[in-house]
Amino acid sequence: NAGVTQTPKFRVLKTGQSMTLLCAQDMNHEYMYWYRQDPGMGLRLIHYSVGEGTTAKGEVPDGYNVSRLKKQNFLLGLESAAPSQTSVYFCASSYRRSGNGYTFGSGTRLTVV
Amino acid sequence: QKEVEQDPGPLSVPEGAIVSLNCTYSNSAFQYFMWYRQYSRKGPELLMYTYSSGNKEDGRFTAQVDKSSKYISLFIRDSQPSDSATYLCAMSAVGTNAGKSTFGDGTTLTVKP
Repeated sequence: NAGVTQTPKFRVLKTGQSMTLLCAQDMNHEYMYWYRQDPGMGLRLIHYSVGEGTTAKGEVPDGYNVSRLKKQNFLLGLESAAPSQTSVYFCASSYRRSGNGYTFGSGTRLTVV
Repeated sequence: QKEVEQDPGPLSVPEGAIVSLNCTYSNSAFQYFMWYRQYSRKGPELLMYTYSSGNKEDGRFTAQVDKSSKYISLFIRDSQPSDSATYLCAMSAVGTNAGKSTFGDGTTLTVKP
């Protein structure tokens, strides 16, 4: 099915380990986003990208890095995982217009022990 | 204070009931209003989006925007057990950088058979 694909779906990390979450979309969307979702805190924007080769910080960027080398892919990296980064991570994409809404991936459940 | 406040719920209704889900906001620049549905352990999916004030209907769902009161609602008629999910409101302003949306924290709805 067309849409946003996230890998992996689940991951357990030890404190201090690193990992990369991959997001791929096949809708030719210009904008891509990484969110984390935590109970009682809603969706919080980590980083976003307005096009290939561009990235920008969102609301909660500390501890994360991103790259968008290809238009269809948006990678989220954790350099040194901390228990506070235990969360569900969602990637989303949209066209270059406000108000059209996002297409979300199915999420990555990350636990840092 | 958050820019978008959503009735926290949870909400439990019998099958066939009319459901009203509500959000208020403080940023008068918001022009686009979205509703997402999120099933347990899944990503949010866009249900409806509207521009500026007024109503929009799609089957059993009606989205209503009152910009003068900074209040939006989603009505579900003849609710079904399959409507049981968390509903997120989201908003964005015209020309917002990267089309970023501001989300409510969600209202969890359970429709009992």
